[in-house]
Amino acid sequence: AQRVTQPEKLLSVFKGAPVELKCNYSYSGSPELFWYVQYSRQRLQLLLRHISRESIKGFTADLNKGETSFHLKKPFAQEEDSAMYYCALNGGNQFYFGTGTSLTVIP
Amino acid sequence: NAGVTQTPKFRILKIGQSMTLQCTQDMNHNYMYWYRQDPGMGLKLIYYSVGAGITDKGEVPNGYNVSRSTTEDFPLRLELAAPSQTSVYFCASSYSYSGRSEQYFGPGTRLTVT
Repeated sequence: AQRVTQPEKLLSVFKGAPVELKCNYSYSGSPELFWYVQYSRQRLQLLLRHISRESIKGFTADLNKGETSFHLKKPFAQEEDSAMYYCALNGGNQFYFGTGTSLTVIP
Repeated sequence: NAGVTQTPKFRILKIGQSMTLQCTQDMNHNYMYWYRQDPGMGLKLIYYSVGAGITDKGEVPNGYNVSRSTTEDFPLRLELAAPSQTSVYFCASSYSYSGRSEQYFGPGTRLTVT
């Protein structure tokens, strides 16, 4: 069964500190993984996708097939990064979302 | 472009009542989705559609129905509301299902069944 696990419901870091949001997945095929973000009072929106190998707002995520992980990282957290982050897996026609991690960046 | 719009924003239903959650997108996307989000949980897919006239069940379809008569609209129907359907409902659309196609989400509908 396809599953996405985000082990941390809440994560707090100080401004300027590195941040890592964890995501593990289980999928029998070749995975397509995403990070979505929801800022306060805004809609859920795409942050980045592994297939693009991009860095968005200083965030990067590397797909590690051996560890079945897709952790989201940023070297220096900013206050505007405070938001809810969801890891998602594309399993064919369906998307599977993790339970989300609420990130708070402390000034 | 308005993107994905949902109505209503909030609704309170009594047990056994029925209602339709509306979803419209103006991006000419083929794929549309309905999710529910319970407190502390991730989004769960209820139904999805790959084009007008084609719908399929997601992870949690029981108690819901959908239709897709046009590309733009994808309404979600609750026939006999139950307290277990209290949730926030999100509609989303995408150009395709591939990894290169992001999903665009609506603002959500907060539904309470009492």
